[in-house]
Amino acid sequence: KQEVTQIPAALSVPEGENLVLNCSFTDSAIYNLQWFRQDPGKGLTSLLLIQSSQREQTSGRLNASLDKSSGRSTLYIAASQPGDSATYLCAGGKTGANNLFFGTGTRLTVIP
Amino acid sequence: EAGVAQSPRYKIIEKRQSVAFWCNPISGHATLYWYQQILGQGPKLLIQFQNNGVVDDSQLPKDRFSAERLKGVDSTLKIQPAKLEDSAVYLCASRGQGAGTEAFFGQGTRLTVV
Repeated sequence: KQEVTQIPAALSVPEGENLVLNCSFTDSAIYNLQWFRQDPGKGLTSLLLIQSSQREQTSGRLNASLDKSSGRSTLYIAASQPGDSATYLCAGGKTGANNLFFGTGTRLTVIP
Repeated sequence: EAGVAQSPRYKIIEKRQSVAFWCNPISGHATLYWYQQILGQGPKLLIQFQNNGVVDDSQLPKDRFSAERLKGVDSTLKIQPAKLEDSAVYLCASRGQGAGTEAFFGQGTRLTVV
């Protein structure tokens, strides 16, 4: 069974700082990896998708990377803003199974 | 393009009652997932469908939970009888065919069992 760990569980930073969120899988045979954002009381919004043939994806101030050899992914947020405050979740699945297992999440607070 | 639709948004029931949730995935998406998210935790996969077949239901408490996907499109998740620990948000997601496609989520149904 795939176990997904996210570190840190919670993070508080002043506005404008760059930050890194971490995600690791017990089974490194990741088919693809997706980062999501969840606002309180809301569903999940997809941020970035990294396919197994890729190593990273960028969207605006967000950059996600995937190291398949170690089963680790990072989400880099540049120049953080108060609107970035949310819980960030990573999810991935094994080759061929098309499944999607979630991490425990990192709750981010950006202080104005 | 319409997103994943779920209903109801909120539900409050007494323990031992039954409840059903409905999900309409994005048109053409072959894979459908149901997740349970307890407050402060990441979503836990309950069941995964590929078209109308079950791919993974290893974490579905089958003594009280059941799910079906009608004609490979809409899906319902039922709990009977409900327990206090079933209080959670139930999320539905869908994904298209092919390698490395993106998964999209509905807004979820918040269930409170009292």
